[in-house]
Amino acid sequence: QQQVKQSPQSLIVQKGGISIINCAYENTAFDYFPWYQQFPGKGPALLIAIRPDVSEKKEGRFTISFNKSAKQFSLHIMDSQPGDSATYFCAAITQGGSEKLVFGKGTKLTVNP
Amino acid sequence: EAQVTQNPRYLITVTGKKLTVTCSQNMNHEYMSWYRQDPGLGLRQIYYSMNVEVTDKGDVPEGYKVSRKEKRNFPLILESPSPNQTSLYFCASSLSWGIYGYTFGSGTRLTVV
Repeated sequence: QQQVKQSPQSLIVQKGGISIINCAYENTAFDYFPWYQQFPGKGPALLIAIRPDVSEKKEGRFTISFNKSAKQFSLHIMDSQPGDSATYFCAAITQGGSEKLVFGKGTKLTVNP
Repeated sequence: EAQVTQNPRYLITVTGKKLTVTCSQNMNHEYMSWYRQDPGLGLRQIYYSMNVEVTDKGDVPEGYKVSRKEKRNFPLILESPSPNQTSLYFCASSLSWGIYGYTFGSGTRLTVV
């Protein structure tokens, strides 16, 4: 059973556009939701993360929106740039340790110049 | 520089020939984990270790072994590799179980022919 469902599988946007990646989870024990960014030939790297007690977190052009009642969260990349082209993974974990880190299946983002 | 180092980066081997992929971290992290990444399947956990001499199965442990004799090292062992183990492998570490901020290695691309 996939604990974190991520969509879309792939996404193509034009430079300057907004990229939106969505994730949904079932396990209400999850209390921390990180996003990882992976460039070709590299390992995933932590990009931004959010706790369920806030509805939005912004770091530069990257924003996480969180809807606790719907058990959904999303990554928005504003003013998308070709350098943002990468695979993005959402994830979920329980910081108390009762649940391990689980990943979505990833979204391959391509930003065209 | 804080990092997770995997070796080798690329490996081509034949079915049945035992191999070891090494993983070392220099951050004094307690928690270490191995993942495999396959197209369309995302990151799947193979084994993890919460501390020295403490290891446990992840989601896809069949055909793999691990050991954690030292805190910094967490080798992945394939005693009799098969073609279905052809994949991209990542080692990751974290300060402790249940703590966010996983640091990933750069990956090992394994091909079993």
